[in-house]
Amino acid sequence: AQSVAQPEDQVNVAEGNPLTVKCTYSVSGNPYLFWYVQYPNRGLQFLLKYITGDNLVKGSYGFEAEFNKSQTSFHLKKPSALVSDSALYFCAVREKGNTPLVFGKGTRLSVIA
Amino acid sequence: EAGVVQSPRYKIIEKKQPVAFWCNPISGHNTLYWYRQNLGQGPELLIRYENEEAVDDSQLPKDRFSAERLKGVDSTLKIQPAELGDSAVYLCASSVRGGPETQYFGPGTRLLVL
Repeated sequence: AQSVAQPEDQVNVAEGNPLTVKCTYSVSGNPYLFWYVQYPNRGLQFLLKYITGDNLVKGSYGFEAEFNKSQTSFHLKKPSALVSDSALYFCAVREKGNTPLVFGKGTRLSVIA
Repeated sequence: EAGVVQSPRYKIIEKKQPVAFWCNPISGHNTLYWYRQNLGQGPELLIRYENEEAVDDSQLPKDRFSAERLKGVDSTLKIQPAELGDSAVYLCASSVRGGPETQYFGPGTRLLVL
């Protein structure tokens, strides 16, 4: 069965610095990979996804993620963090076919002014 | 374009009471999902509909949970009777279809069972 690990519960970064939120996954075949962001008392907002093709995926609000098959990772990155990026970030994976989307436990990002 | 709509946003009930949540997906989205999100965790799938058919309900606790999606549009998730451990956020999501399609989430219903 597929699984996702987000090894950091909390990431702190200074405003203007680059940020990385880590995600590793486990699937038996080729993965579909997603990043979502959740603000307080809000649902999950889609940021980006990897289906196939270019390993570097660009998404909303200046975020990007790099698919690394050998390391089974899909880390979320942004060159310059904003205070407004402070939120809870979820990585998710599903295998091809109609398998469920499986979410990680989430990483809380705090951007400090 | 309107997003996924859920109501109510908050619900407080006493244990053993029934409760129902309603979801209206994005227009044209054939696939609808119900998730439960416990505090400090990621969402976990409860049930997935393709049009009006429940195609994956393996994680739905069928002794107390039920769901329906009449006419393949709106959906209702019910708990009867509620238990203390059901306190969570219940999220509805929709996508054009299954597979790699992006799921779009509603704001959720926060349930507190006392």
